[in-house]
Amino acid sequence: DTAVSQTPKYLVTQMGNDKSIKCEQNLGHDTMYWYKQDSKKFLKIMFSYNNKELIINETVPNRFSPKSPDKAHLNLHINSLELGDSAVYFCASSRSETGGQYFGPGTRLTVT
Amino acid sequence: AQTVTQSQPEMSVQEAETVTLSCTYDTSESDYYLFWYKQPPSRQMILVIRQEAYKQQNATENRFSVNFQKAAKSFSLKISDSQLGDAAMYFCAYRSGLRGNQFYFGTGTSLTVIP
Repeated sequence: DTAVSQTPKYLVTQMGNDKSIKCEQNLGHDTMYWYKQDSKKFLKIMFSYNNKELIINETVPNRFSPKSPDKAHLNLHINSLELGDSAVYFCASSRSETGGQYFGPGTRLTVT
Repeated sequence: AQTVTQSQPEMSVQEAETVTLSCTYDTSESDYYLFWYKQPPSRQMILVIRQEAYKQQNATENRFSVNFQKAAKSFSLKISDSQLGDAAMYFCAYRSGLRGNQFYFGTGTSLTVIP
């Protein structure tokens, strides 16, 4: 009965490849997010979706594209991976108006 | 834009003692929410405690409590009777009440618990 799940937990790939990270939440939340955590542990929000609409789109490269097939899923697709994309990517969800975010276990992406 | 500042990159505490982690924030809004998250070495982000800005009473969750000073825009976390399992990165976070889907995180404080 995991609240927010991500797959895979570890992803090692070569530069130039395309990869996807999947996220699912069973909390019934309206909003889902993607964060990038760099080697210094700094958390940067990348995207959020509310009722299947993109409502935050920080200045991330357009190689990153979120896709939400339904309210419970927000997948992250990354094209033409670069070394600098290596990081931990967290999915999270929250209720729209109040409450904290519930995070998935993270996906450690390593680009070689 | 709102900012969240954690001025203590690292802190340490003796087991069973009390430690306070600092957090300040900058906002012009009156309606907002504040949070503390814990990230142990397992890297899972765990919600520790939550505070609504309109509530004067400080939130408490077992050994964790906050000192919320709205006028000073300060939101510190106190951990009492520290345990080895409390060792982790702690992040302070701000959520806008007007634009509820915007969260801002501090840079984190690494807490070491000394046996």
